[in-house]
Amino acid sequence: TQLLEQSPQFLSIQEGENLTVYCNSSSVFSSLQWYRQEPGEGPVLLVTVVTGGEVKKLKRLTFQFGDARKDSSLHITAAQPGDTGLYLCAFFTGGGNKLTFGTGTQLKVEL
Amino acid sequence: DAMVIQNPRYQVTQFGKPVTLSCSQTLNHNVMYWYQQKSSQAPKLLFHYYDKDFNNEADTPDNFQSRRPNTSFCFLDIRSPGLGDAAMYLCATSRVSGGFPFSYNEQFFGPGTRLTVL
Repeated sequence: TQLLEQSPQFLSIQEGENLTVYCNSSSVFSSLQWYRQEPGEGPVLLVTVVTGGEVKKLKRLTFQFGDARKDSSLHITAAQPGDTGLYLCAFFTGGGNKLTFGTGTQLKVEL
Repeated sequence: DAMVIQNPRYQVTQFGKPVTLSCSQTLNHNVMYWYQQKSSQAPKLLFHYYDKDFNNEADTPDNFQSRRPNTSFCFLDIRSPGLGDAAMYLCATSRVSGGFPFSYNEQFFGPGTRLTVL
């Protein structure tokens, strides 16, 4: 069974701090996605990484896919309260029809 | 704006009283999904419709059923809700093209329905 473990599970930081969220597995994936879910809303896709070693940037967010395509990280620079939410990595199964989510990282950024 | 709409946003039901949650989409996507999400946990897929084909997850309880009368609408029926079924229920859609061995599809989620079971 393929599993995605995220760490940390919970993270509470002050505005302006940097943070990194990790998504790890013993399985190799063709691609991984990162979603953010704000309180009271559904998850929203942030990025898809498909190549080992790939780095993608989305404003203050930097995503990296591990060289062996078993892990991924999300780094946020100068966190803001608007970054608060549940961050989820996910991989495709079922021939690309289904998404399996990682265990999730709950981030709270305080003023 | 094209979107995924879920009604109601909050639903309260009694233990054992059937309840139906609804989802509609204006994206004309061919795949619709239902997820269950408990507090501070990741969404867990219950089942999905690929066009008219229903695909149940192996560990989804029989208490959960779904209907998709047309492309735009999908319903989640909980026949006899238990206290453990209290959760956020998320609907999502995706456009998946047949014939591809792999597809990096984005799933578009609705805002969810929070179900309370008394």
